[in-house]
Amino acid sequence: AQSVTQLGSHVSVSEGALVLLRCNYSSSVPPYLFWYVQYPNQGLQLLLKYTTGATLVKGINGFEAEFKKSETSFHLTKPSAHMSDAAEYFCAVTRAGANSKLTFGKGITLSVRP
Amino acid sequence: EPEVTQTPSHQVTQMGQEVILRCVPISNHLYFYWYRQILGQKVEFLVSFYNNEISEKSEIFDDQFSVERPDGSNFTLKIRSTKLEDSAMYFCASTGQGAMNTEAFFGQGTRLTVV
Repeated sequence: AQSVTQLGSHVSVSEGALVLLRCNYSSSVPPYLFWYVQYPNQGLQLLLKYTTGATLVKGINGFEAEFKKSETSFHLTKPSAHMSDAAEYFCAVTRAGANSKLTFGKGITLSVRP
Repeated sequence: EPEVTQTPSHQVTQMGQEVILRCVPISNHLYFYWYRQILGQKVEFLVSFYNNEISEKSEIFDDQFSVERPDGSNFTLKIRSTKLEDSAMYFCASTGQGAMNTEAFFGQGTRLTVV
């Protein structure tokens, strides 16, 4: 079984500040990890993913995440927040190498203050 | 850029009625999924579909739910007798084949409101 924990439901940062959204996972098999973003009234858009290889992965809009197996974490960061980053962010896990279901965390709402 | 399309974007139905949610996955994808998101909650897996059969389903996907791919392009989710608690955003997703095709592409969703 797999699970994702995203602590907290809301993060608020000032424009230009560092964004850090935490994600911890549990998986009995090697995982693939994803961050999706959901803007209001829209679908889910992939920000970035970790499958194999380099543990620091870069995604769209300046976001990056680092897979740390020892910590079972996949935290999302962005050095400088923009107003347009305000959205809901979901971390998700699936089994490596297979087209299997995604298990999502409960999501974190990011607010960006001017 | 290829995309998953879902229709309708919003459907209101009376409790007990049947609804069919429609999805057109990306054309060369082989794996199809339905997820739902109840307002304020996390996205939950409902069912996956491959080679014209269900490959996995969750506890949510009971006898009231069914899926089919009737014509090689559409992928539908049917709820036979809707309940108030079926009100949610329903997302369709698809993936390609093979270990390299790991990204699930999601549609914009259908917001189902059961009254």
